Amino acid sequence: EAQVTQNPRYLITVTGKKLTVTCSQNMNHEYMSWYRQDPGLGLRQIYYSMNVEVTDKGDVPEGYKVSRKEKRNFPLILESPSPNQTSLYFCASRPSPSGGKDTEAFFGQGTRLTVV
Amino acid sequence: AQKVTQAQTEISVVEKEDVTLDCVYETRDTTYYLFWYKQPPSGELVFLIRRNSFDEQNEISGRYSWNFQKSTSSFNFTITASQVVDSAVYFCALSEFDSGGYQKVTFGTGTKLQVIP
Repeated sequence: EAQVTQNPRYLITVTGKKLTVTCSQNMNHEYMSWYRQDPGLGLRQIYYSMNVEVTDKGDVPEGYKVSRKEKRNFPLILESPSPNQTSLYFCASRPSPSGGKDTEAFFGQGTRLTVV
Repeated sequence: AQKVTQAQTEISVVEKEDVTLDCVYETRDTTYYLFWYKQPPSGELVFLIRRNSFDEQNEISGRYSWNFQKSTSSFNFTITASQVVDSAVYFCALSEFDSGGYQKVTFGTGTKLQVIP
């Protein structure tokens, strides 16, 4: 089954304790991205990756890191989480960064992160 | 800069009523894509439709229909004979191409639809 898998689904952590949210897709997609969803703000892009070893900042990258060492995985790293990073996070992938007919994104199930 | 506005924050309708969710976008590009996604209470994001800027033909899929009007930069979504299972947050999104030919997707803030039995 084609899917994007995020782990964990729920996470409560304390300020300053490094954490990683994993994202894996099995569709051989080139393009992957991370979003955070906050009430009244919709989904905002944190980072994206157009292919292996190619990553770039989205609209709200501060406090986050990513890596793309292999095509299927795109982990989101919070080196020192803070309460303002409490949010619902989505990983997404799509076949190509450059458009074409398959332009819609496939989303993971979401990770609800609470930083206390 | 591209922008997507969903002015309706929350809508409540009684089951079987029709409801229209508005989406207005801004873009300088002539080539772009518009999307609607559904986020049910379980939290996942479900793709509903994609429309490219050259195809203004309206689309109907069961109880769902979409009205794309470039003249007003709108891509509205109508649910006919709403059902409780339609209760969700609905996001409109716009995809443009940057100078490198890569897509950038901007989401609206979402409209929460509550269908009351």
